[in-house]
Amino acid sequence: NAGVMQNPRHLVRRRGQEARLRCSPMKGHSHVYWYRQLPEEGLKFMVYLQKENIIDESGMPKERFSAEFPKEGPSILRIQQVVRGDSAAYFCASSPTTGFDTEAFFGQGTRLTVV
Amino acid sequence: QKEVEQNSGPLSVPEGAIASLNCTYSDRGSQSFFWYRQYSGKSPELIMFIYSNGDKEDGRFTAQLNKASQYVSLLIRDSQPSDSATYLCAVYSGNTPLVFGKGTRLSVIA
Repeated sequence: NAGVMQNPRHLVRRRGQEARLRCSPMKGHSHVYWYRQLPEEGLKFMVYLQKENIIDESGMPKERFSAEFPKEGPSILRIQQVVRGDSAAYFCASSPTTGFDTEAFFGQGTRLTVV
Repeated sequence: QKEVEQNSGPLSVPEGAIASLNCTYSDRGSQSFFWYRQYSGKSPELIMFIYSNGDKEDGRFTAQLNKASQYVSLLIRDSQPSDSATYLCAVYSGNTPLVFGKGTRLSVIA
């Protein structure tokens, strides 16, 4: 049973380009969470999705950022017109359900560098 | 605003000693508490979670929860250099994703 798969592992974009980050949850997991981590910082929640639905996007910047989790295929975090401040590690986690005893497992992350 | 506070460290302990990592949280309605370990440049790995007051043991790890004091800790017995990492405390408060602290950096000195 493969774990949470994220790709690419490293992504370099020039300012103004678009960045697309992909996350395939563990088999049987329908809940996906995106977090951003800056150097020496903790994980900051961005968005929570369940198949085809955005459940909570309270941590997403209002502009340039969007996320989806289609019926088929991976979850996508899209950042349009990237700026240097978007450089960070973006982690995706998945869980089979929600609840106080639900374990969430993380992918290896995508390290985005904006030059 | 739900907050999770951890001492950033570094916390240095000699090999074989007990490492004690602490975490406080602001939301009294928080239901469960997770400890993740993150090696530098790697992804967070789940160590264990606890939701009842008291202690929960798993191998060399013991999680302790005191809801009255809004305090959760992780003890690592017989610390090894391979335990050197950042330890992240995360809190589940119901219908919201996990809220993470900034982590405590642990250094186990051989």
